[in-house]
Amino acid sequence: EAGVAQSPRYKIIEKRQSVAFWCNPISGHATLYWYQQILGQGPKLLIQFQNNGVVDDSQLPKDRFSAERLKGVDSTLKIQPAKLEDSAVYLCASSHGTLASTDTQYFGPGTRLTVL
Amino acid sequence: QQQVKQSPQSLIVQKGGISIINCAYENTAFDYFPWYQQFPGKGPALLIAIRPDVSEKKEGRFTISFNKSAKQFSLHIMDSQPGDSATYFCAGGGSARQLTFGSGTQLTVLP
Repeated sequence: EAGVAQSPRYKIIEKRQSVAFWCNPISGHATLYWYQQILGQGPKLLIQFQNNGVVDDSQLPKDRFSAERLKGVDSTLKIQPAKLEDSAVYLCASSHGTLASTDTQYFGPGTRLTVL
Repeated sequence: QQQVKQSPQSLIVQKGGISIINCAYENTAFDYFPWYQQFPGKGPALLIAIRPDVSEKKEGRFTISFNKSAKQFSLHIMDSQPGDSATYFCAGGGSARQLTFGSGTQLTVLP
């Protein structure tokens, strides 16, 4: 079973520029998550999709961050404009989408963003 | 988002020793407590998980101990190996299937 794919793996931009990250979840997984992992911290949930609908985006800074999952498969996360404090690893995870809290989340390798 | 507090921040053990990482949670709605292992440049991967209806779960060298009344749980790694050197995250999850992660413990196992 192929894992969660993310691209690019690394991105360096200057503040106020825009950037987009792409995620391809495990085939058949209905639920997709985007996390932000700042150096030295645990992952923090940004947004959760169930198929192509948003379940929770309460922690997404909507003035600059946006995410979509148009066909219920791939997803993109965009930051516009970027700030210095957005430097982090952006992790995508997917799960089968069962209603159980034990629905295992599988993580991709992440995209390391550096904002200069 | 209610916190999950994790300690220690870093841990160094000798090969063959026992590694112990502790977590405490606040949200009593959590009903799923996984531990994730993360190697440099990789995403976190599920290591072992427990539900609050049991006090202990063991898988090979890895054991979770759970104390519901104290709202604490811990990961024990027996016979620690250099290949176990990684960052470990505890988390709490609930019906929304969202995970709240601890801040991580960087484990180094010396050969």
